[in-house]
Amino acid sequence: AQSVTQLGSHVSVSEGALVLLRCNYSSSVPPYLFWYVQYPNQGLQLLLKYTTGATLVKGINGFEAEFKKSETSFHLTKPSAHMSDAAEYFCAVSDLRGATNKLIFGTGTLLAVQP
Amino acid sequence: DADVTQTPRNRITKTGKRIMLECSQTKGHDRMYWYRQDPGLGLRLIYYSFDVKDINKGEISDGYSVSRQAQAKFSLSLESAIPNQTALYFCATSDRGNGYTFGSGTRLTVV
Repeated sequence: AQSVTQLGSHVSVSEGALVLLRCNYSSSVPPYLFWYVQYPNQGLQLLLKYTTGATLVKGINGFEAEFKKSETSFHLTKPSAHMSDAAEYFCAVSDLRGATNKLIFGTGTLLAVQP
Repeated sequence: DADVTQTPRNRITKTGKRIMLECSQTKGHDRMYWYRQDPGLGLRLIYYSFDVKDINKGEISDGYSVSRQAQAKFSLSLESAIPNQTALYFCATSDRGNGYTFGSGTRLTVV
């Protein structure tokens, strides 16, 4: 079975500060990992994904994440927060190479950016 | 037009009523999913379908049913709505190995 744990349901940073949103996963097979962002009153938008290959993945809006197998982590970072980054962020894991192809989500982290 | 379209966008219904949420896609994907989102719980899988003849229960299927009318259409029904089914519902499609595309969501309120 696969699962995702997001540490910290609420994170607050100052504008211009580093953003770090934590995600740890559990998977019995090589995972595919995703970060999605949800702006207020909107659907989910894919930020970035890790499938195979390079473990440092770059996404949209200056975000990136690093797959660390030894730590079973896939933390999301951005060097300098912008007010427009305020949103809820979801980490997700999938067994896309397997039969089920289900996407399992974490409980989300709400990011607030203070001026 | 959006790749994945959900209707209605918002709905208020009374306890005990039957309601159907509809999803259609233009991605050409075989796999379709219904999730519900609740504050603090993330998104949880209700049902998923790999093709028209293949329907599978997710982790929270009780109280829900689905119909895959065509490759492009996947509807979710609440046979007798109850207040704890008040949530934001998302439909999604996937092309195996290439991730997921989500609709804009249906906000359902059961009073």
